[in-house]
Amino acid sequence: KAGVTQTPRYLIKTRGQQVTLSCSPISGHRSVSWYQQTPGQGLQFLFEYFSETQRNKGNFPGRFSGRQFSNSRSEMNVSTLELGDSALYLCASSSRVGVPTGELFFGEGSRLTVL
Amino acid sequence: GESVGLHLPTLSVQEGDNSIINCAYSNSASDYFIWYKQESGKGPQFIIDIRSNMDKRQGQRVTVLLNKTVKHLSLQIAATQPGDSAVYFCAGNPLPGNTGKLIFGQGTTLQVKP
Repeated sequence: KAGVTQTPRYLIKTRGQQVTLSCSPISGHRSVSWYQQTPGQGLQFLFEYFSETQRNKGNFPGRFSGRQFSNSRSEMNVSTLELGDSALYLCASSSRVGVPTGELFFGEGSRLTVL
Repeated sequence: GESVGLHLPTLSVQEGDNSIINCAYSNSASDYFIWYKQESGKGPQFIIDIRSNMDKRQGQRVTVLLNKTVKHLSLQIAATQPGDSAVYFCAGNPLPGNTGKLIFGQGTTLQVKP
């Protein structure tokens, strides 16, 4: 069974640009969450989607947005990039929803560098 | 607010010894906790979880202990191996019925000396 796939793995952007990151969850998983990982702030929750609906949202500015498609694939977008947006963006999928579970399956992440 | 924190940024142990990684949580954090392992260049990998109605849970070579009185949990790794070298995160699930939103601690880097 293929794991969570994130594309692109690495990308470099300049300030003011926008970026779209893609995530394909494990087959059959309908819940997708996004996290930002930085050395200073650690892992921070961005948002969670299930059945194309955003279930939860973290404390990030409106420049950060996401969506989920009917095939459970998800994208996140960051507009007007700032230097502080440089981070590893991780996507995680889960087969369960409505029941607390930490068994999220993470992808290897998309490493974004903003110059 | 919610917070989950790890006690030591780095832990160095000899191969074959047992490792103990500690974590504390705040009053308003969840009653459900998870340990993740993150190897270099990879995403976090689920190790083990525990709910507040339990004090202890065991997996393969790992044990998680939960002390609700002092709001502390620990991950014990038996017979630590070089492959256990990684960053370990504790995380709490802050919302009832929630799945994907976790509050992560800062991480402890486990270094295993041969």
